Amino acid sequence: QSVLTQPPSVSAAPGQKVTISCSGSTSNIGNNFVSWYQQLPGTAPKLVIYDNSKRPSGIPDRFSASASGTSAFLGITGLQTGDEADYYCGTWDSSLSVWLFGGGTRLTVL
Amino acid sequence: QVQLVESGRGVAQPGTSLRLSCATSGFIFRKHAMHWVRQAPGKGLEWVALISDDGRNQHYPDSVKGRFTISRDTSKSVVYLQMNSLTFEDTAVYYCARRSDSSNAFDIWGQGTGVTVSS
Repeated sequence: QSVLTQPPSVSAAPGQKVTISCSGSTSNIGNNFVSWYQQLPGTAPKLVIYDNSKRPSGIPDRFSASASGTSAFLGITGLQTGDEADYYCGTWDSSLSVWLFGGGTRLTVL
Repeated sequence: QVQLVESGRGVAQPGTSLRLSCATSGFIFRKHAMHWVRQAPGKGLEWVALISDDGRNQHYPDSVKGRFTISRDTSKSVVYLQMNSLTFEDTAVYYCARRSDSSNAFDIWGQGTGVTVSS
């Protein structure tokens, strides 16, 4: 059971939009920046969002994110089959002094 | 280019030890904290260890605290993960990851190295 809670799966049709949530608490999301990672099948994770809402160079603007209170959200618009992957949120927990990952959300582009 | 390459023996028996290495290149090693993250077969990501940029501070989750030790050799730009008292639950792909120098995010990941604990 992860401290950061994500839905196990989401799905949408190509071209549509999807939002993935990540729920935590004051000691983690509430007081530390959240980052998001994309893991394509059989590959290492890749950073797609940092500092709650910033995109690293090379990440398309179809990817966006926000954080409010003790929750964070990753949005992907104009879905493509190549976006099918597992997505993980992550942040530091100031009370536990540990890094936390959410349980991961599998995105299926139907 | 920036690169992280993990290595280490793949199979170990329960109760024994194993050391993983992460060779880094293409960036100023001493400016970055480093992490180890693992992923058990069919499971999600689990953070395993963090070492500060200067090597003076380390953090671990309870699942490995007291058994795993992260260290770094600045002269070689290498990060290590010493794993002792291995259990079946330590079977996973182990990733080395770099912490960004301007945020808390893991901005570069290695390709991972597989560890199997089996009798």
